[in-house]
Amino acid sequence: GDSVTQMEGPVTLSEEAFLTINCTYTATGYPSLFWYVQYPGEGLQLLLKATKADDKGSNKGFEATYRKETTSFHLEKGSVQVSDSAVYFCALSDRLDSNYQLIWGAGTKLIIKP
Amino acid sequence: DAGVIQSPRHEVTEMGQEVTLRCKPISGHNSLFWYRQTMMRGLELLIYFNNNVPIDDSGMPEDRFSAKMPNASFSTLKIQPSEPRDSAVYFCASSPRRGRTGELFFGEGSRLTVL
Repeated sequence: GDSVTQMEGPVTLSEEAFLTINCTYTATGYPSLFWYVQYPGEGLQLLLKATKADDKGSNKGFEATYRKETTSFHLEKGSVQVSDSAVYFCALSDRLDSNYQLIWGAGTKLIIKP
Repeated sequence: DAGVIQSPRHEVTEMGQEVTLRCKPISGHNSLFWYRQTMMRGLELLIYFNNNVPIDDSGMPEDRFSAKMPNASFSTLKIQPSEPRDSAVYFCASSPRRGRTGELFFGEGSRLTVL
């Protein structure tokens, strides 16, 4: 079945550092890919998405490119801030799944130190 | 626009008691999801409704759990009787268009502690 694998956390960085959180997937169909973010004490919110190969999603300085050849959707940001501290979830939705269910990664906790 | 509204935000109860969690989805969204989040098991889908009809309840852990959606603007998740292992944060999420976009809008969650 479909699956999503994320790098284990926590990831601890200093402010203004470059961020990469790795995400790889397996899917039998034609997935759309997502990054969600969960700030402390809140629900998840969509950060960015990409619906086909080579698409780049971007939002709030974060970017991720849908790489079909490496089945990856790594999240990057050039200069992180303390306010980026959160848990980040990679997810996919396979269009061959009639219910369009989201398959979630385990989440990666990001800690940014001032 | 109001987001997904959940209540209560926090619930502490004793083992054996009935717990009811409530959710008001975003107006116009026709898909509703109940998730459970724990440190050990991460994010688990419990049940999914489309147009108020349960489509997939395979994630409901056991008969102690039940969910209803009597109309497009209200859903409940009930646990009876509750057990300490049910302690978790329960999220409700809604989505437009049968969830086709994969874009879910989450509430702030209901943190349940069963003593």
